[in-house]
Amino acid sequence: QQQVKQSPQSLIVQKGGISIINCAYENTAFDYFPWYQQFPGKGPALLIAIRPDVSEKKEGRFTISFNKSAKQFSLHIMDSQPGDSATYFCAATVSYNFNKFYFGSGTKLNVKP
Amino acid sequence: GAGVSQSPSNKVTEKGKDVELRCDPISGHTALYWYRQSLGQGLEFLIYFQGNSAPDKSGLPSDRFSAERTGGSVSTLTIQRTQQEDSAVYLCASSSRVGGNKNTEAFFGQGTRLTVV
Repeated sequence: QQQVKQSPQSLIVQKGGISIINCAYENTAFDYFPWYQQFPGKGPALLIAIRPDVSEKKEGRFTISFNKSAKQFSLHIMDSQPGDSATYFCAATVSYNFNKFYFGSGTKLNVKP
Repeated sequence: GAGVSQSPSNKVTEKGKDVELRCDPISGHTALYWYRQSLGQGLEFLIYFQGNSAPDKSGLPSDRFSAERTGGSVSTLTIQRTQQEDSAVYLCASSSRVGGNKNTEAFFGQGTRLTVV
């Protein structure tokens, strides 16, 4: 059973457009939701994270929107750039417990110039 | 070093041979994960270690796969009698167990690219 479901699997966006990646979860005990960015040949690295006490977190062009009642969260990349082309993973964990991270299956983003 | 270190970075092996992949987590991190990533695909969970607790082996795809973590630090993932479908990048990550409302993060290594020929 996949704890975190991510969509779409791949995404093509024109430069300057908005990229949106969605994730859904079932476990209401999850209280920390990070997003990871992975460039080819590299390991994933933390991009931005949110806790469920806020509905939105913004860092530069990257925004996480969180809907606690729907158990969904999404990553929005505004003014998408070719340098944003990477694979993005959402994740969830119960941070006060054993801290195991559950990852989504990933979204491969291609930003066309 | 400051990050998660994996070795070797690349490994080519013949079908049927055994391989060992090594992960050195960040010092002090109690949690360690192994993931597999096939070409252009997502992360496939393999195994999770947390402190002295029994590992979560629920993601290991077959009994040819095993992993151990010695002294709560270095981990070795062993694949016996390798098959061509085992070809993938094997990623290791570690994280610290924190309490309260502190933020936490899983840190990934660069991965080991395994090619079975």
